[in-house]
Amino acid sequence: DTEVTQTPKHLVMGMTNKKSLKCEQHMGHRAMYWYKQKAKKPPELMFVYSYEKLSINESVPSRFSPECPNSSLLNLHLHALQPEDSALYLCASSQGNLGDYEQYFGPGTRLTVT
Amino acid sequence: AQSVAQPEDQVNVAEGNPLTVKCTYSVSGNPYLFWYVQYPNRGLQFLLKYITGDNLVKGSYGFEAEFNKSQTSFHLKKPSALVSDSALYFCAVRRGNNRLAFGKGNQVVVIP
Repeated sequence: DTEVTQTPKHLVMGMTNKKSLKCEQHMGHRAMYWYKQKAKKPPELMFVYSYEKLSINESVPSRFSPECPNSSLLNLHLHALQPEDSALYLCASSQGNLGDYEQYFGPGTRLTVT
Repeated sequence: AQSVAQPEDQVNVAEGNPLTVKCTYSVSGNPYLFWYVQYPNRGLQFLLKYITGDNLVKGSYGFEAEFNKSQTSFHLKKPSALVSDSALYFCAVRRGNNRLAFGKGNQVVVIP
């Protein structure tokens, strides 16, 4: 099973809402990632968890809060978002450090902030 | 800083013709290079990677890429393009542990 799943597929939220994105993989991968992608642009790295510990935060605003409950699950908690946060949010995983291993991406959550 | 450049915004090719998507890199040390493809409304899919070894790398869906150190290039190729190859293609290079630097992306349009 080389699949990364993400829920929900689509999310519309107001600027005062609190919502969460969920990502799951069952490949035994020890690194998991959150990316933000605008249309026709490359993904922008947000967070990296390595062995369930946050190892990289690319200076992401605090209205985005990641969580890694276990080695298979990754959440992204959203609160007080802005319209410019509307984007495709991609989750990815890799067996280990990049370079030695490639990333597997989920299909993404299309987020619209109204 | 590690980076890649994809000089073209869009590549148009007739179905059945060879497809080439260009990528050049700028790194200090040995490059770890990747190609990913993104179909509409989907996540990225890994195609192939170069770490070391043979300069010709074979990947998924009939794609291959040639690592050329003297020209600092890692062009993606397919001998015969299919309409289903129409997608957005990203070249990427490893930038530190667990970071990739992506190129801007190339839209490939295969014309029936």
